[in-house]
Amino acid sequence: LAKTTQPISMDSYEGQEVNITCSHNNIATNDYITWYQQFPSQGPRFIIQGYKTKVTNEVASLFIPADRKSSTLSLPRVSLSDTAVYYCLVGDTAGTALIFGKGTTLSVSS
Amino acid sequence: KAGVTQTPRYLIKTRGQQVTLSCSPISGHRSVSWYQQTPGQGLQFLFEYFSETQRNKGNFPGRFSGRQFSNSRSEMNVSTLELGDSALYLCASSGGLAGETQYFGPGTRLLVL
Repeated sequence: LAKTTQPISMDSYEGQEVNITCSHNNIATNDYITWYQQFPSQGPRFIIQGYKTKVTNEVASLFIPADRKSSTLSLPRVSLSDTAVYYCLVGDTAGTALIFGKGTTLSVSS
Repeated sequence: KAGVTQTPRYLIKTRGQQVTLSCSPISGHRSVSWYQQTPGQGLQFLFEYFSETQRNKGNFPGRFSGRQFSNSRSEMNVSTLELGDSALYLCASSGGLAGETQYFGPGTRLLVL
């Protein structure tokens, strides 16, 4: 599974757009890019998954350039409740071990 | 659809005891994976079951074992508990096919005294 690198922490204010970039230089052809959000003492919550270009759902967008060596999770207009740890994972998620890094701790202030 | 459920949510045991945790996957999901999360090591993969067979295994000692039933429900057992086994144990379910997402349950918080 490809290793990922993402910032340890980020700070933002309510109402701002937050972009978290993840590097995955060794991504394989069959790998998907998946982002999870985790609050303290809870299980990770699936946010978004993509393979290439752009994916958007009701909570976030995922931008993947053509070479797929990085990806950016975009959270529009964050609120205090978006304060959490965000994990970027790369791999063929079905049935394989998800390798979680340290994640990015996002702190949103008023 | 109901999400992944785990029981019990909290558990206190003493060293040397054994414990069994249960996970019910999302209806229709055939794959169940187990993870351990600690402040020091983060989220680590234990093993994955698909159609009652262990398909993938992480780097944990043999004290950690699991099984899956025909209804896809899974149990994880830890024998001879150690203090270091105190952690949040998470299970995740998916359809088990390429590209399908894993969905996590709320976890079982185990404290070993």
